[in-house]
Amino acid sequence: QVQLKESGPGLVQPSQTLSLTCTVSGFSLTSYNVHWVRQPPGKGLEWMGRMRYNGDTSYNSALKSRLSISRDTSKNQVFLKMNSLQTDDTGTYYCTRDHRNNYGVFFDYWGQGVMVTVSS
Amino acid sequence: DIQMTQSPSFLSATVGDRVTINCKASQNINKYLNWYQQKLGEAPKRLIYNTNSLQTGIPSRFSGSGSGTDYTLTISSLQPEDVATYFCLQHNSGPYTFGAGTKLELK
Repeated sequence: QVQLKESGPGLVQPSQTLSLTCTVSGFSLTSYNVHWVRQPPGKGLEWMGRMRYNGDTSYNSALKSRLSISRDTSKNQVFLKMNSLQTDDTGTYYCTRDHRNNYGVFFDYWGQGVMVTVSS
Repeated sequence: DIQMTQSPSFLSATVGDRVTINCKASQNINKYLNWYQQKLGEAPKRLIYNTNSLQTGIPSRFSGSGSGTDYTLTISSLQPEDVATYFCLQHNSGPYTFGAGTKLELK
């Protein structure tokens, strides 16, 4: 069945780089796009960026200068790297998916999320 | 960027009530609007996609409607397990944007 699972460190120091992994199963990264979405504690959701099925990427302009998304299709993994972390980057980070040409699939499955705290 | 204005921010209702939550987009989003339910400590769960399509496994008391810039989620008869925060999401164009959320509680 379809699964997405985020992993990464729970604590990152200010000014350091966050590295997260989304491991997927039950679908192919060459047919689906994978997105990253984050949620500060007690607040709403923010779309961060996506890895497209063909390897292209797109980013939220508010984060573009700090964010990089990559993938390893052989391992069914999508990676997020964000540098220069500050305390307002604290929150839960999710990966989710959509299909290359089926709008009915948009953000249907989500990972369970990984909580990241930025603190010294 | 498309702004999504969701209302109300907080809603208190009684079991059996009909509940409506609204999202207004800053421009036409062509019915590319999803609704999600999020319970404390959990990932969002998709309820409705493309304005009015019910996600498999979601009870039929949930429904969606709308067009253009205005969209509504309706719970026809509120149940205790519906206590949660609800979000809308537009996926008409990037960056994809969410409403700020409606926290639904039992009166």
